[in-house]
Amino acid sequence: DIVLTQTPLSSPVTLGQPASISCRSSQSLVHRDGNTYLSWLQQRPGQPPRLLIYKISDRFSGVSDRFSGSGAGTDFTLKISRVEAEDVGVYYCMQGTQLPWTFGQGTKVEIK
Amino acid sequence: EVQLVESGGGLVQPGRSLRLSCTTSGFTFGDYVMGWARQAPGKGPEWVGFVRTKVKGATTEYAASVRGRFTVSRDDSKSIASLQMNSLRTEDSAVYYCTRVPIGVAAPGGIDYWGQGTLVTVSS
Repeated sequence: DIVLTQTPLSSPVTLGQPASISCRSSQSLVHRDGNTYLSWLQQRPGQPPRLLIYKISDRFSGVSDRFSGSGAGTDFTLKISRVEAEDVGVYYCMQGTQLPWTFGQGTKVEIK
Repeated sequence: EVQLVESGGGLVQPGRSLRLSCTTSGFTFGDYVMGWARQAPGKGPEWVGFVRTKVKGATTEYAASVRGRFTVSRDDSKSIASLQMNSLRTEDSAVYYCTRVPIGVAAPGGIDYWGQGTLVTVSS
């Protein structure tokens, strides 16, 4: 199975400041169809996960442009340009390139 | 608005069965791969499985931990996805989420919508 390793596991951030989360894969996430199925999910307290970013950098419908994704191959990054109070929660990377689909351990974003 | 609403969760004894349903609206159900994920208390999400569209033969894929015990199915006439869970174990206790796979790519490669979830507790 593909293992996704996120760093850091906890990210205390000052409101209005940027935040960055890294996701490293144990194997290349390039699918034979040419796409790289790396997603970023946000899970606010008491809520289900919500898709933020699909295929490395495609922002999902309704997602703030403060969120951006980048990377290639095995190394990926989620950036929040200016953290707001509503961004508090756990962020997961997820790969859909190879079965079984797997998730990173999660990164908890909290306000300092 | 896309909606996925799970039902059927509850308390069940080890070794017994349970069937979850996902009632959907807001999109053309038959065009989408549908699936399930779960999340144990205090843990990250875990992919469970999915069923492809009828055009793709409604074939299924599963995580190793549930293969042979769980079955994902679909009823396109009612826009409902289901998860039949047999031989339940205590480690199957989790919130179960109905999920939708994005359309427009060659391969199922992720999840764009999650339901609110239904809690399954396996305990004697």
